[in-house]
Amino acid sequence: QQQVKQSPQSLIVQKGGISIINCAYENTAFDYFPWYQQFPGKGPALLIAIRPDVSEKKEGRFTISFNKSAKQFSLHIMDSQPGDSATYFCAASIVGYQKVTFGTGTKLQVIP
Amino acid sequence: NAGVTQTPKFRILKIGQSMTLQCTQDMNHNYMYWYRQDPGMGLKLIYYSVGAGITDKGEVPNGYNVSRSTTEDFPLRLELAAPSQTSVYFCASRKGGGDANTIYFGEGSWLTVV
Repeated sequence: QQQVKQSPQSLIVQKGGISIINCAYENTAFDYFPWYQQFPGKGPALLIAIRPDVSEKKEGRFTISFNKSAKQFSLHIMDSQPGDSATYFCAASIVGYQKVTFGTGTKLQVIP
Repeated sequence: NAGVTQTPKFRILKIGQSMTLQCTQDMNHNYMYWYRQDPGMGLKLIYYSVGAGITDKGEVPNGYNVSRSTTEDFPLRLELAAPSQTSVYFCASRKGGGDANTIYFGEGSWLTVV
């Protein structure tokens, strides 16, 4: 019940295209859903996050879509750029609770 | 603005040796974590701490130990290293409480056990 399932494991997108990564969760108590971006040789860093009281959050080219009834959320990267090539992790947690559950990661490659 | 600092960056250990991965944070965060990252497996929680003197096991604690004597430091001890402990290790911290949910990661420690 604590799992967060992430897909796909890897993704190749052409420059200018839309990258979409999906996550699904089981625990309905989760109320904070962040996405982390990790470049090779570095630690993950927060990219964008959403609470379940909204269905969408946009920051520049990055958008989280959230479907509470389906217990799914996704990251959309519009106008994907080679500099977006990285591994992306979705995560879920309960605000105020110490543990965070991470998805297994998606390796995105944006080709010119 | 150091954030979370881990040392060493790279280390090769022989089977049966022991070592300590150091982690320190300068953000006065309450929560600290150790994760390991294996290809295609995501981030697995080894141990975590909610404050000085308090630690607890995560998903994969076997073969590791931690201590938290100060708010800033959270070292991870590997006893009797095994090839299965070859991985990338990340220390992380979070303020905790209320809306302080962002986790800040160190740059990682690459460990190879041969």
